[in-house]
Amino acid sequence: DAKTTQPPSMDCAEGRAANLPCNHSTISGNEYVYWYRQIHSQGPQYIIHGLKNNETNEMASLIITEDRKSSTLILPHATLRDTAVYYCIVRVAGSAGNQFYFGTGTSLTVIP
Amino acid sequence: GAVVSQHPSRVICKSGTSVKIECRSLDFQATTMFWYRQFPKKSLMLMATSNEGSKATYEQGVEKDKFLINHASLTLSTLTVTSAHPEDSSFYICSVGTEAFFGQGTRLTVV
Repeated sequence: DAKTTQPPSMDCAEGRAANLPCNHSTISGNEYVYWYRQIHSQGPQYIIHGLKNNETNEMASLIITEDRKSSTLILPHATLRDTAVYYCIVRVAGSAGNQFYFGTGTSLTVIP
Repeated sequence: GAVVSQHPSRVICKSGTSVKIECRSLDFQATTMFWYRQFPKKSLMLMATSNEGSKATYEQGVEKDKFLINHASLTLSTLTVTSAHPEDSSFYICSVGTEAFFGQGTRLTVV
């Protein structure tokens, strides 16, 4: 089962920062937070992941609270092509591999 | 990241027939691959973990005799939907690697 909760939808003006929150209050100490996005009828695209420190790459920044119970994905300058469903996932390390259990995600709409 | 290719991207089949979906890892040797299903306007649901050279591990509620998984090599896993019915119509997606690089998905429509 998914261990994350996200708002179902958000809007953001083009060119502004998009801040997508995620709650994962039951996260374990060795579990990572991953973010993916899915544009309609395509496979999910990896964005970023982190354990406890804030992370930044060419796509986004990930801010994880000190207690690790929540995180925020930041798209610094949203474009129309960033319109997608964004999934926050806690990575479960299992004996058969590293399964990913998706929650319902946040549908982000970037408005011109 | 790993490049993952699924084939076919779309398939329409008649009710009662079987359909095979391929997932190929083009630049990464994968001992484990994952299969997901996604219904319209819903999230991805993990169906099973495909293990190279051994039996797949299925999630609770997924019929292993209905969804046959074969992982015969380090670069190929196949999902066969047997005796397909309209309720099996869905978007099927595979992933590879510890960072879960996903294929582009297969849209199955059973008529």
